[in-house]
Amino acid sequence: AQSVSQHNHHVILSEAASLELGCNYSYGGTVNLFWYVQYPGQHLQLLLKYFSGDPLVKGIKGFEAEFIKSKFSFNLRKPSVQWSDTAEYFCAVFPMDSSYKLIFGSGTRLLVRP
Amino acid sequence: DAGVTQSPTHLIKTRGQQVTLRCSPKSGHDTVSWYQQALGQGPQFIFQYYEEEERQRGNFPDRFSGHQFPNYSSELNVNALLLGDSALYLCASSLGQGRTYNEQFFGPGTRLTVL
Repeated sequence: AQSVSQHNHHVILSEAASLELGCNYSYGGTVNLFWYVQYPGQHLQLLLKYFSGDPLVKGIKGFEAEFIKSKFSFNLRKPSVQWSDTAEYFCAVFPMDSSYKLIFGSGTRLLVRP
Repeated sequence: DAGVTQSPTHLIKTRGQQVTLRCSPKSGHDTVSWYQQALGQGPQFIFQYYEEEERQRGNFPDRFSGHQFPNYSSELNVNALLLGDSALYLCASSLGQGRTYNEQFFGPGTRLTVL
């Protein structure tokens, strides 16, 4: 079955620390990949997406992610986090040839301490 | 331009009751998807409506049903509520033509509590 795994359920960092959140998916076909963010009290919103081409994609607010096809991974990174990055982060996969649905991971709660 | 709106914001029901949740898509969007987000979990796909028909369904029982109206708004109905149905229900809208991905925009959700 198609699934998405996020390795870290809770992450606590100090401001200016670097961030990397892991995401792996299980699906053998072509996929679109996404990271969504949910700030406290706000809607789920798109952080960045990968469709094709350069496997290193840049999103909003200084976030980037790298697609490594051989590892079925799409890890999220940010060189220096801010207190305002405190949120829940979800990795999601859209299987291109079989589905209309987004498949989400279980999420990672990030707390950035000032 | 209004984004995706959902109503009500919060809802409390008892076991066995029925509930209807509503969603208005973002202007210009014709497709609505519903997701269930249990506490501590990521959103799980319930179903998607396009051209007033259910286009795809996730792994949810028949107690979960939906409808899409000609103006593209949508309802999610859940019958015979169980305690385990307590969750945040998210609606997402998008443009539905073809199999290429079109960005899904999410609403604020309806928090359903079943007692």
